[in-house]
Amino acid sequence: DAGITQSPRHKVTETGTPVTLRCHQTENHRYMYWYRQDPGHGLRLIHYSYGVKDTDKGEVSDGYSVSRSKTEDFLLTLESATSSQTSVYFCAISGTSAGGTEAFFGQGTRLTVV
Amino acid sequence: GQQLNQSPQSMFIQEGEDVSMNCTSSSIFNTWLWYKQDPGEGPVLLIALYKAGELTSNGRLTAQFGITRKDSFLNISASIPSDVGIYFCAGDTNTGNQFYFGTGTSLTVIP
Repeated sequence: DAGITQSPRHKVTETGTPVTLRCHQTENHRYMYWYRQDPGHGLRLIHYSYGVKDTDKGEVSDGYSVSRSKTEDFLLTLESATSSQTSVYFCAISGTSAGGTEAFFGQGTRLTVV
Repeated sequence: GQQLNQSPQSMFIQEGEDVSMNCTSSSIFNTWLWYKQDPGEGPVLLIALYKAGELTSNGRLTAQFGITRKDSFLNISASIPSDVGIYFCAGDTNTGNQFYFGTGTSLTVIP
């Protein structure tokens, strides 16, 4: 297994509260990503990082912010959680093998906003 | 974002049958990846493809990188019950290592 740990694995929070999800890698990969997975939509990119303090938006970034102060950690923050942000969140890392680039996923965080 | 059309959306097959699924894109990709996801778990990488026309196998799984670089195919031979899950394709345009995902093919294998 790729060395990716997401925490927490499950969380229930109330509407309007801030929430931070953490992704930790032990692979020293440059790229890290946050995706959300919803029925009928597959995996959609929220934000990604291409280095320490270097981040960019994905296709569904509204309502989310990220930070990467160390190579191994990538944080996703919901500033004020809404019910539409109930989802399963996956962190991924991207590395280069002999052939090319591959992406590996964590086990996910199930977030419920009530 | 990029549009990846994955088909079929779902498949119900008998154990022992072969399976084929495909993914098409409106853009050229430099990398195609195929994943399998079990319930409650993250996607697991099955096969990675890096060159147009490339054919790569992983056990009973075979995937191909389409010559046009806008499509990819995954075949599973002699399906078994543990093949059940959702299969995703993903492509990388090599512009910032952004991966775009298909909506998945749900596979059910009937013993």
